[in-house]
Amino acid sequence: GENVEQHPSTLSVQEGDSAVIKCTYSDSASNYFPWYKQELGKRPQLIIDIRSNVGEKKDQRIAVTLNKTAKHFSLHITETQPEDSAVYFCAAISTGANNLFFGTGTRLTVIP
Amino acid sequence: KAGVTQTPRYLIKTRGQQVTLSCSPISGHRSVSWYQQTPGQGLQFLFEYFSETQRNKGNFPGRFSGRQFSNSRSEMNVSTLELGDSALYLCASTTGTSTDTQYFGPGTRLTVL
Repeated sequence: GENVEQHPSTLSVQEGDSAVIKCTYSDSASNYFPWYKQELGKRPQLIIDIRSNVGEKKDQRIAVTLNKTAKHFSLHITETQPEDSAVYFCAAISTGANNLFFGTGTRLTVIP
Repeated sequence: KAGVTQTPRYLIKTRGQQVTLSCSPISGHRSVSWYQQTPGQGLQFLFEYFSETQRNKGNFPGRFSGRQFSNSRSEMNVSTLELGDSALYLCASTTGTSTDTQYFGPGTRLTVL
């Protein structure tokens, strides 16, 4: 089955700096890659996703890049704010399946 | 449109008991997936139901089971509870197409004593 690895496990940045979280996946059939943000005690919420027919997607301060050849995708957050502090999970899903394989999460702390 | 709801939000059980959790998906969504979240194992897929049929299953023992009703509401059951079953159980709702967004419910926090 699919195996998703996520790095780093923790990340601290100064407010205003950028944060980058990287994930790799093993199943070349995977074609959908969402990113979820989970604040303490809350549900995971989708912040951005990318499908395998595109290489990059941007939504305001958040962007995701996908390299299908290398089987990795990354989350980029620019101009970080304290409210960006949370745990971020990457995930992958393959054609014909409907279960998300999650990375182990990155705890992002934005220092004011 | 109402979001995904889960009941109960918190449960405390003792070893050997069984528990039933409920999930109501977003109106119009026909697929419900269940995930277990623990600090040690992260988010792991349990199973997925689509149109009242289990369509996909993760690597969990048979003590974990589920079902889906005609209105797409889903329940999961855990029998003979073990201490290691303590976790946040999340359900996710989607239309049923694999590349559609999965929307999570708030979860049920299960504590097994």
